[in-house]
Amino acid sequence: GENVEQHPSTLSVQEGDSAVIKCTYSDSASNYFPWYKQELGKRPQLIIDIRSNVGEKKDQRIAVTLNKTAKHFSLHITETQPEDSAVYFCAASTQAGTALIFGKGTTLSVSS
Amino acid sequence: GAGVSQTPSNKVTEKGKYVELRCDPISGHTALYWYRQSLGQGPEFLIYFQGTGAADDSGLPNDRFFAVRPEGSVSTLKIQRTERGDSAVYLCASSLMGRTNTGELFFGEGSRLTVL
Repeated sequence: GENVEQHPSTLSVQEGDSAVIKCTYSDSASNYFPWYKQELGKRPQLIIDIRSNVGEKKDQRIAVTLNKTAKHFSLHITETQPEDSAVYFCAASTQAGTALIFGKGTTLSVSS
Repeated sequence: GAGVSQTPSNKVTEKGKYVELRCDPISGHTALYWYRQSLGQGPEFLIYFQGTGAADDSGLPNDRFFAVRPEGSVSTLKIQRTERGDSAVYLCASSLMGRTNTGELFFGEGSRLTVL
């Protein structure tokens, strides 16, 4: 089945710096890759997603890139702000599309 | 309702007891998912419902876990003979579309289960 690896597990940056989180997946049939943000004690919330027919997608300060050949995708946050501090999870859909398999998460800390 | 609602928010039980966790999805969402999240880990898939039927229950860890969605709306996750290792936050999510790759998952706040 699908396996998703996420790195790094923790990331500390200064306000205004960029942050990059990387994920790899195992199932070449996966075709949907969302990123969720989870603040402490809160529910995970979708921040951006990308489908396998697209290589890059941007939404203001957030971008996601996908390399299907290498089976990896990355989240890029520019001009980080303290409110970006949270745990970020990448995920990949199973071949049947009946489940999302999540990475273990990256704890991002943005200090001002 | 405005979002996915889960009850109870917290449940403390003793080893060996039976537990039910309830999820009320967003109105009109046909797809419903149960996940389990342990401390410091990502959500772990348990089961997916499309309407009333369990379309994928491959994530249920063993036969002590069971879930139902009899009318295609509210779902109940049932855990028999609870063990300490079952302690986790149980997250429910719903989606308008039937497959994860066609629609955003909206998560509830979760039910925190502690087995003593």
